[in-house]
Amino acid sequence: AQKITQTQPGMFVQEKEAVTLDCTYDTSDPSYGLFWYKQPSSGEMIFLIYQGSYDQQNATEGRYSLNFQKARKSANLVISASQLGDSAMYFCAIPGGGADGLTFGKGTHLIIQP
Amino acid sequence: DAGVIQSPRHEVTEMGQEVTLRCKPISGHNSLFWYRQTMMRGLELLIYFNNNVPIDDSGMPEDRFSAKMPNASFSTLKIQPSEPRDSAVYFCASSLRGQGAGETQYFGPGTRLLVL
Repeated sequence: AQKITQTQPGMFVQEKEAVTLDCTYDTSDPSYGLFWYKQPSSGEMIFLIYQGSYDQQNATEGRYSLNFQKARKSANLVISASQLGDSAMYFCAIPGGGADGLTFGKGTHLIIQP
Repeated sequence: DAGVIQSPRHEVTEMGQEVTLRCKPISGHNSLFWYRQTMMRGLELLIYFNNNVPIDDSGMPEDRFSAKMPNASFSTLKIQPSEPRDSAVYFCASSLRGQGAGETQYFGPGTRLLVL
């Protein structure tokens, strides 16, 4: 079964600093992908970035990048030049498991301080 | 483009009442997912539809929960009778081609359900 571990329940970061949110995973699927979602205090789930296990280069979307280390089974999210609006819960997710949807980690609560 | 639409956004009901949550997926998406989010259990998949057909409902907690997708643009999640432990945020999500390594699921705004 798929498993996602996010070891940082909460993080405080100064505005404009870079942030790394940790995510490790476990899967038996030979081909898989890792997703990151953002959930601000308003509650919606916002897709941020995705990387497939066979992608050669780390994915990048604007200020978001994925530090994907397959051998270590980690897929950390890096946010460059953090902004106050980045304050939110961040979830790492992997397809499969349960009723065949996404398996989510417990999330990291990121707070950006001015 | 319209994203996933859910209604109602908030629902407060009394124990024993029937609750119906509604979802309109993104046009052209073939797969629809219902999730539940609680503080204790996090985000859990309840059921997954592909081309309007329920593929796996093993995540549905009990017989009190049922879901339907009568057409490609509408799905309902019904709880009857509701109980206080059903209080949660219920998300609907859709994806283009269904479950797979690269299929991004796009979430609706969620329905916050409180059962008194």
